[in-house]
Amino acid sequence: QKEVEQDPGPLSVPEGAIVSLNCTYSNSAFQYFMWYRQYSRKGPELLMYTYSSGNKEDGRFTAQVDKSSKYISLFIRDSQPSDSATYLCAMTYSGGYQKVTFGIGTKLQVIP
Amino acid sequence: DVKVTQSSRYLVKRTGEKVFLECVQDMDHENMFWYRQDPGLGLRLIYFSYDVKMKEKGDIPEGYSVSREKKERFSLILESASTNQTSMYLCASSLVSTEAFFGQGTRLTVV
Repeated sequence: QKEVEQDPGPLSVPEGAIVSLNCTYSNSAFQYFMWYRQYSRKGPELLMYTYSSGNKEDGRFTAQVDKSSKYISLFIRDSQPSDSATYLCAMTYSGGYQKVTFGIGTKLQVIP
Repeated sequence: DVKVTQSSRYLVKRTGEKVFLECVQDMDHENMFWYRQDPGLGLRLIYFSYDVKMKEKGDIPEGYSVSREKKERFSLILESASTNQTSMYLCASSLVSTEAFFGQGTRLTVV
């Protein structure tokens, strides 16, 4: 079993839809949870990170962590064609330097 | 604007060649990484470095080596390229685990 599981998609939604992207993990020691966005033929870029359980909001993006279920989510409200990308979840043990474990990424397409 | 620059976007090399992939960052970060990204396998860590002249093996170091002679530069070396090393290679740098800055990637094809 992989440490981090993420459905690769692709996920196609109409413009304006609410998108839900998810990851599950098996290692309860993970404390920090990140979401990266990767456009085609580009490197990933950090969208946001969350410490432990709870929600974090940044504009149209909301990250949610449920440590009891070992489940993290990224919600995108009012999705736009420019949100079409691959979204990778990532997690690590501490905020200093520790190894980061990535999901394989979910490919999202927002149809105009 | 922070930047991680990889020397090549696309490379085609022959089996058995020695291949150098170069990465430079301008953020004075201690930590630098090399990943490869393959469909269905995601990002896999090859090597990382947390200081000049220091290096640590990642999850898949076999067939690779690295060099970090200066803080801003981290090189990945394929000692004898093989077709199973055809992949997208991504360099990253960071101060802390929660935020890595990635280069644009080098798509390497070994024929």
